[in-house]
Amino acid sequence: GENVEQHPSTLSVQEGDSAVIKCTYSDSASNYFPWYKQELGKRPQLIIDIRSNVGEKKDQRIAVTLNKTAKHFSLHITETQPEDSAVYFCAADGNQFHFGTGTSLTVIP
Amino acid sequence: NAGVTQTPKFRILKIGQSMTLQCAQDMNHNYMYWYRQDPGMGLKLIYYSVGAGITDKGEVPNGYNVSRSTTEDFPLRLELAAPSQTSVYFCASRTPGRRGNEQFFGPGTRLTVL
Repeated sequence: GENVEQHPSTLSVQEGDSAVIKCTYSDSASNYFPWYKQELGKRPQLIIDIRSNVGEKKDQRIAVTLNKTAKHFSLHITETQPEDSAVYFCAADGNQFHFGTGTSLTVIP
Repeated sequence: NAGVTQTPKFRILKIGQSMTLQCAQDMNHNYMYWYRQDPGMGLKLIYYSVGAGITDKGEVPNGYNVSRSTTEDFPLRLELAAPSQTSVYFCASRTPGRRGNEQFFGPGTRLTVL
């Protein structure tokens, strides 16, 4: 079955710096790759997603890149702000929907 | 639309008690999911359903049961609660296909088993 690995598990950055979170997947049938943000005590919410026919997608300070050949995708957050502090989950959707294990991001003011 | 709703928000159970966690969605989504999230951990799939009358096991189904008699509702049943089932439970739904793969999550149910 699908296996989604996510790194790092924790990440601390200074406010204004960039943060990068990486995920790999194993199922070649996966064609949809969302990223969710979960603030403390709240539900996961979609922040950006990418489909397999696209290599990169950007939405203001957030971008996602996809390398289908290597089976990996990444989340890039630029000009980080304290409100970006949260847990981020990647996921891959193919024959089934699989989440990564999460990255706890802390932005230090 | 209310989206995905869950009840109750909080519950404390004694070991051996049973309960049903309710989940409903008003978006006419075919697919529905139950996840559990232990403190500081990721989401683990318990059960899922691709439509009314169809359910299937996820990664951690032991100790749980589900039913899907309507498109809107997907209750999760805990029989003989154990301390290991202390967790936050999230229900989610989506419509598969080109238009929408996004999973919409409910607000969660925080369950403590003592």
